[in-house]
Amino acid sequence: EPEVTQTPSHQVTQMGQEVILRCVPISNHLYFYWYRQILGQKVEFLVSFYNNEISEKSEIFDDQFSVERPDGSNFTLKIRSTKLEDSAMYFCASSEWVAVKETQYFGPGTRLLVL
Amino acid sequence: DAKTTQPNSMESNEEEPVHLPCNHSTISGTDYIHWYRQLPSQGPEYVIHGLTSNVNNRMASLAIAEDRKSSTLILHRATLRDAAVYYCILRDGAVQGKLTFGTGTRLTIIP
Repeated sequence: EPEVTQTPSHQVTQMGQEVILRCVPISNHLYFYWYRQILGQKVEFLVSFYNNEISEKSEIFDDQFSVERPDGSNFTLKIRSTKLEDSAMYFCASSEWVAVKETQYFGPGTRLLVL
Repeated sequence: DAKTTQPNSMESNEEEPVHLPCNHSTISGTDYIHWYRQLPSQGPEYVIHGLTSNVNNRMASLAIAEDRKSSTLILHRATLRDAAVYYCILRDGAVQGKLTFGTGTRLTIIP
């Protein structure tokens, strides 16, 4: 069964450093998402992406964050200058179409620790 | 998105049915009811969704009240692998894309 993959599985970085989290969505999917989950808290929406542009973003997704689909397979989340509070699990998700009945498929996540 | 209310936690014995309730009294006519679950240390996973009629798939069944103000996810025969946090999420037809997760129900399966 096709699945969403994410790399790396774990990343440790120093505060102020840039990190890039990578995702390979399911191949025929057109809609892509990033979510994050701070330890012990809810899964929170960050951003959705379709047709090479952001379709929606949350308040969390400020100027420090950016997303990109650099080629036909990868979808990346960049945090330019990490803060301690960016420590969380980051999940990528993809879906075939945007509709009420849409099913999103999530990757296993990248655990980011900012020191 | 309309708000849902779920119990914080539930326990069930292995190999017995589990009924996970969700209240959504402010549901609108175009809201679909989605269920996702999150196994320990994994990303969320789609379980099932419905609008008005009861739904069945290989993972679970979804029973929707006639007034749609509540629903119940039914796991017919729980296994240890079903231990997870289960999220009931309403998706507004006018809002595309994002899922809004609550705190969900943490299901513990007792061997």
